[in-house]
Amino acid sequence: SAVISQKPSRDICQRGTSLTIQCQVDSQVTMMFWYRQQPGQSLTLIATANQGSEATYESGFVIDKFPISRPNLTFSTLTVSNMSPEDSSIYLCSVEWAGGEDEQYFGPGTRLTVT
Amino acid sequence: AQTVTQSQPEMSVQEAETVTLSCTYDTSESNYYLFWYKQPPSRQMILVIRQEAYKQQNATENRFSVNFQKAAKSFSLKISDSQLGDTAMYFCAFMKLAGNMLTFGGGTRLMVKP
Repeated sequence: SAVISQKPSRDICQRGTSLTIQCQVDSQVTMMFWYRQQPGQSLTLIATANQGSEATYESGFVIDKFPISRPNLTFSTLTVSNMSPEDSSIYLCSVEWAGGEDEQYFGPGTRLTVT
Repeated sequence: AQTVTQSQPEMSVQEAETVTLSCTYDTSESNYYLFWYKQPPSRQMILVIRQEAYKQQNATENRFSVNFQKAAKSFSLKISDSQLGDTAMYFCAFMKLAGNMLTFGGGTRLMVKP
């Protein structure tokens, strides 16, 4: 089965700074997504990362705060900009493969703490 | 918009016994997918089982099975012969047939006791 990795696995950042999270898959995928999981809560979709075009953001999430790149079919980045303590969460990427029967598989997540 | 509700924040079960986790959802769609994901303390989200709404037969995967009641919009997960490694958060999730967005329930924390 394919491997999904995320870097960093965790980080502690200061208020006002930005962090870029990477998601790498070892095979080509059709869809890549970014989710946020706030402490003790469920997952919420931030955006769909589109290859070669701007990401599609869900309600409540904007490009200026969460810029996303997807330069190819195996890699995506999510940046959390101008961070505040409220951004402390686990950020997870997920992928769907072509012919993958609409199943999403998740990376190991990045635990972000903002002080 | 779809909503997914898990009414049991926490549950516990003795090792080797059977436990059922509840999930209800609300949608106006007629065709869709339902999933159960497991998130152990390592925080890795693991797909446990999936159900297509157009299939009447309940999905099974080894010790995991579902009871899908479409009319009642209910999708429960049964774990048989519970093992210590089943200790985790379990999330029920909904996906429209022609969409990709997963809508998650609030989760149920399951503790398997030796």
